[in-house]
Amino acid sequence: DAGVIQSPRHEVTEMGQEVTLRCKPISGHNSLFWYRQTMMRGLELLIYFNNNVPIDDSGMPEDRFSAKMPNASFSTLKIQPSEPRDSAVYFCASSPLLSSYEQYFGPGTRLTVT
Amino acid sequence: GESVGLHLPTLSVQEGDNSIINCAYSNSASDYFIWYKQESGKGPQFIIDIRSNMDKRQGQRVTVLLNKTVKHLSLQIAATQPGDSAVYFCAESNQAGTALIFGKGTTLSVSS
Repeated sequence: DAGVIQSPRHEVTEMGQEVTLRCKPISGHNSLFWYRQTMMRGLELLIYFNNNVPIDDSGMPEDRFSAKMPNASFSTLKIQPSEPRDSAVYFCASSPLLSSYEQYFGPGTRLTVT
Repeated sequence: GESVGLHLPTLSVQEGDNSIINCAYSNSASDYFIWYKQESGKGPQFIIDIRSNMDKRQGQRVTVLLNKTVKHLSLQIAATQPGDSAVYFCAESNQAGTALIFGKGTTLSVSS
């Protein structure tokens, strides 16, 4: 059974460019989470969805960040325009049930903005 | 074995020793706690979890202890192996289906 799939695994872009990160949750999972990991701030929640509906986006840094989940098997996190301080590893995680605490993480996307 | 005080960022042990990693959580309303292991270049991987109505839970070579009085969580790894080298995170939640709140990680280094 494939776990959470994220693409790309690595992204290097220049300041001002648009970046789109992609996530495919585990099939049948109802919740999807986007986290960001940096040395300074550790793992932080950006946004999460239940049944494709955004529930809490209070962790999204600013309007440059947006996330969508058009269907149960796909989500995107977009940064436009990107800035060097956005450099981090971005993780997607999914959870099987709305009543479940367990979260399964993908391998992450390492984003570098120069 | 070697025990550590409350959240040391790094822990170095010899192969075969027991390791204890500590974590303090912030929300007294949290009712679910989980330990993750993160190896270099990978996402966090589930190790073991515990609900607030328990104070101890054992897995394979791992034990989690919960002390709600002082809001303290610990992960014990028996007979630590080089493959246990990683960063370990504790996380908490007060509602199923919501986000986990992660603590600062502890880097475990196992030398043979």
